[in-house]
Parts: sequence; structure tokens; C-alpha cells
Amino acid sequence: EDKVVQSPLSLVVHEGDTVTLNCSYEVTNFRSLLWYKQEKKAPTFLFMLTSSGIEKKSGRLSSILDKKELFSILNITATQTGDSAVYLCAVASNSGYALNFGKGTSLLVTP
Amino acid sequence: DAGVTQSPTHLIKTRGQQVTLRCSPKSGHDTVSWYQQALGQGPQFIFQYYEEEERQRGNFPDRFSGHQFPNYSSELNVNALLLGDSALYLCASSLGTRVGGYTFGSGTRLTVV
Repeated sequence: EDKVVQSPLSLVVHEGDTVTLNCSYEVTNFRSLLWYKQEKKAPTFLFMLTSSGIEKKSGRLSSILDKKELFSILNITATQTGDSAVYLCAVASNSGYALNFGKGTSLLVTP
Repeated sequence: DAGVTQSPTHLIKTRGQQVTLRCSPKSGHDTVSWYQQALGQGPQFIFQYYEEEERQRGNFPDRFSGHQFPNYSSELNVNALLLGDSALYLCASSLGTRVGGYTFGSGTRLTVV
């Protein structure tokens, strides 16, 4: 059975800290890994990774995929209170159309 | 350009009742997927509709059914509600099979009492 595991499940940091969120997966016929930010209800898309070792960056956020070790990390530098949210990792396979999500990491950035 | 619209935003139902949730996809999108997100959990795939057909179904009982209309909007129906059906129901739209192009709606919060 396909599995996506995120760690830690929750994290509290101070504004300005750097955080690293982890996502490991076991998926048959891997196609891509996606990161989403969920602040209240609607998850919003951050990154999609398909190739190993290529870093995707958007401002203070970056992510990288290791297809050999089956994991991805999401880095957030110089955190701000607006980064407080649940970060979801999801994996898509070539065997179907569904996204398989992890439980998410709840990040709280305190002033 | 409207994003994904879901209605209602909140709903309270009694065990055993039936409920219908609605989703209008983002303009230009033709595929609708439904996810259930229980408190403290990640979203779980219920099913996906494309060209008015259920294209794939997740591990959910037959009490969960859906429909897609010619204008691409969709409904999710749940019969014989259980307390465990209480969750946030998310609709996501996309164009074809492009999972990277998912746009999620804000969801319907269903509470079963």
C-alpha cells in the first residue's frame, strides 16, 4: 500500500528561524511529489518535483527531491508569522489520478 | 477568474441522514476530484470525475457517490451518515490529468451529530 509520512507532525519556531520539513514516501510507479500550504481550508500549491536533485525555489521557500532515498524536504528560511500553516506533502503515481497525502506538518511561527 | 467554489461552507446533519455537497470548478478546468480531510489528517481521495464519468475511486464505501454535469460542476452525495463522516470535504479541479494543476476549493465542513 502506498504511504506518505511527514515529520515532524508539529513545530513551533521563532520568527527569523529556518525550518526543514520532511516527507518520505513509498509509492508504486512514482510520478511526482507535491507540497501544499493549508492555512485555513483550501490547500494552496507550492511546488511539484519530478526529478531527483533539482531544487525548486520560490522566495524564502525551497524544496528538493531524492528519488533514490524516497524523500523530499521543504525548507523555509527567515520564517515569518504568515508562514504559520499546515504543510502537506502529496505523491502522485502513474498508476492513477489520485494524490496520496501525508498527515501534514503544523508549523507555528511566534513573534 | 473564479477559482473553485464549494457550497455550502458549513453543514450540520444527523446520523442516518443524507447530504449533497456541490462544487463548481475553476474556469477552464474539466476534471473534479473530491477529498475528505478529517481533523488532524491529510486529505484522502474519494473519487475523480472526468467527462461525466467516475474515472477513479478511493477506498470509500458505496454510501459515497457523485456526479458530474455537462458544465463540469460536480456533486458529492453521502447516504446514511455516520459520526465518522464528520470532516472537511475538499473539491479540487484540474485540466485533464495534470495533478500539478490542481486548484482546491475552501471546502465544506460537515458535522454529523
